[in-house]
Amino acid sequence: GNSVTQMEGPVTLSEEAFLTINCTYTATGYPSLFWYVQYPGEGLQLLLKATKADDKGSNKGFEATYRKETTSFHLEKGSVQVSDSAVYFCALTYANDYKLSFGAGTTVTVRA
Amino acid sequence: EPEVTQTPSHQVTQMGQEVILRCVPISNHLYFYWYRQILGQKVEFLVSFYNNEISEKSEIFDDQFSVERPDGSNFTLKIRSTKLEDSAMYFCASRRGGQYQETQYFGPGTRLLVL
Repeated sequence: GNSVTQMEGPVTLSEEAFLTINCTYTATGYPSLFWYVQYPGEGLQLLLKATKADDKGSNKGFEATYRKETTSFHLEKGSVQVSDSAVYFCALTYANDYKLSFGAGTTVTVRA
Repeated sequence: EPEVTQTPSHQVTQMGQEVILRCVPISNHLYFYWYRQILGQKVEFLVSFYNNEISEKSEIFDDQFSVERPDGSNFTLKIRSTKLEDSAMYFCASRRGGQYQETQYFGPGTRLLVL
């Protein structure tokens, strides 16, 4: 079946540090890939997405590139802020049913 | 910007009681979903709904669960006889549908606690 594996957390960083969260997937065919973010006390918000190989999703300084050859969709940000503290979820979906399969989530804490 | 809303934000209930979780999807969306997240665990798919019927359901979604779109705006999840292990955050999501419209938009969730 389809599955998403994320880097284990928690991750603690200082402000302006570089953040990377690894995400790899196991799937047949060509899923669409997503990063969702969950800020403390809130629901899931779409952060970025990519729908085909070599696509790069970007938003709020975050980027992720759909790498079919390595089945990866790693999330990066060059300079994090305290407000980036959240739980980040990698997810995939297929065009036939669109249900999302999520990774376990990575908790990121950014210290001032 | 339109958003998915959910009520209540928190619900505490006794084991064996029925609960109904409510969601108002984005108005021009056609596909609706429920997910749950047990504390500290992964977000899990429960059910998808389109054209007034269930499209797909997970093995979690047993006979104790049901979904309904009683009018043009609400989408509800009912748990008939709650168990302790139903305690979780329940998320509703909606998707517009159509070509390249794969993104699901999530509500803020309902935190259900079964005592």
